[in-house]
Amino acid sequence: AQSVTQLGSHVSVSEGALVLLRCNYSSSVPPYLFWYVQYPNQGLQLLLKYTTGATLVKGINGFEAEFKKSETSFHLTKPSAHMSDAAEYFCAVTRAAGNKLTFGGGTRVLVKP
Amino acid sequence: KAGVTQTPRYLIKTRGQQVTLSCSPISGHRSVSWYQQTPGQGLQFLFEYFSETQRNKGNFPGRFSGRQFSNSRSEMNVSTLELGDSALYLCASSFEAGDYGYTFGSGTRLTVV
Repeated sequence: AQSVTQLGSHVSVSEGALVLLRCNYSSSVPPYLFWYVQYPNQGLQLLLKYTTGATLVKGINGFEAEFKKSETSFHLTKPSAHMSDAAEYFCAVTRAAGNKLTFGGGTRVLVKP
Repeated sequence: KAGVTQTPRYLIKTRGQQVTLSCSPISGHRSVSWYQQTPGQGLQFLFEYFSETQRNKGNFPGRFSGRQFSNSRSEMNVSTLELGDSALYLCASSFEAGDYGYTFGSGTRLTVV
């Protein structure tokens, strides 16, 4: 069985500061990992994904994440927060195409001016 | 290219009624998955269809059902609605070529009164 843990249900950052959202997973097989963002009353938008290859993955809107197998982690970072980054972020894992995505509980990001 | 389209966006139903939600995937995508999002349980997998066949099913009661048509459009049905079925229902489609490109729709917000 797979599971995803996101540390911190709420994170507050100042505009221009580093954004760091933590995600740890458990999976009995090599995982495929995703970060999604959700704005109010919207669906989920893919920020980035790790399937194979380079462990540092760059996504949209300046976000990146690093897959660390030894730490079973896939933390999301952005060097400089913008007001438009205020949203809820979800980490997800799956083990194969067509299999379900298992989501973490989400982290809501507040950006202070 | 059009995204994943879910209709209707909002729905209010009375306890005991049934409801049908619709999802039109991105053109060319053959896999459609459904998720339920609630504040208490987060994002939970309902089921996944590929080429009109249900391949995976989550842990939901039999009141939740779905189907996929030959044009890949999918519907999900919930019978005998309960208050706890109030949620955002999200549909995701993917091409199924191994790129794990799950694209989500904006969801249908179901309120059961």
